[in-house]
Amino acid sequence: DGGITQSPKYLFRKEGQNVTLSCEQNLNHDAMYWYRQDPGQGLRLIYYSQIVNDFQKGDIAEGYSVSREKKESFPLTVTSAQKNPTAFYLCASTPDRGTEAFFGQGTRLTVV
Amino acid sequence: KNQVEQSPQSLIILEGKNCTLQCNYTVSPFSNLRWYKQDTGRGPVSLTIMTFSENTKSNGRYTATLDADTKQSSLHITASQLSDSASYICVVTSYGNNRLAFGKGNQVVVIP
Repeated sequence: DGGITQSPKYLFRKEGQNVTLSCEQNLNHDAMYWYRQDPGQGLRLIYYSQIVNDFQKGDIAEGYSVSREKKESFPLTVTSAQKNPTAFYLCASTPDRGTEAFFGQGTRLTVV
Repeated sequence: KNQVEQSPQSLIILEGKNCTLQCNYTVSPFSNLRWYKQDTGRGPVSLTIMTFSENTKSNGRYTATLDADTKQSSLHITASQLSDSASYICVVTSYGNNRLAFGKGNQVVVIP
């Protein structure tokens, strides 16, 4: 079945450590996105990529980094520079401009 | 100011009753508007997508309306079920780029 897969579902990290969240899609979509969701707030865009080896900062990119070496994969690294990393992270992909976004099931990151 | 405003923020309804959720947006130029359903701890799933020329679209017990002149949309849930308890997110895409504008969601709780 085609879809977009995030792993792990739950992640705990000690303060000061970097951590990488995985996002893989087999939908052959060109564009991929990372969003952060906090309670009572809408989704906020961290980074997006419209093509392999290219990515752009979103609205809240500070403290995060990404790579897009393969079309299928768009991992997100939460660095120690991110001041408040505890959140629910969602990865999405779209096949073309302005079309439906397909979301992964999310990764809940907790900093302890 | 958020480009997509949803109301009410939350509501509680009795099983079997109807409810209507509102979405007002300022995104311009407009490409399309989608309603997503997000269960707690899961990724959003698309319910409907509407373009400029469409003013009503149904998906089972969900009916979305769009007034592109007033930049308003609504999602009507008919004969609510316990499984309708979720957050409903309005997402608007602007024409010409791949950016998605998210509302904060309508939190719906259906009680028996």
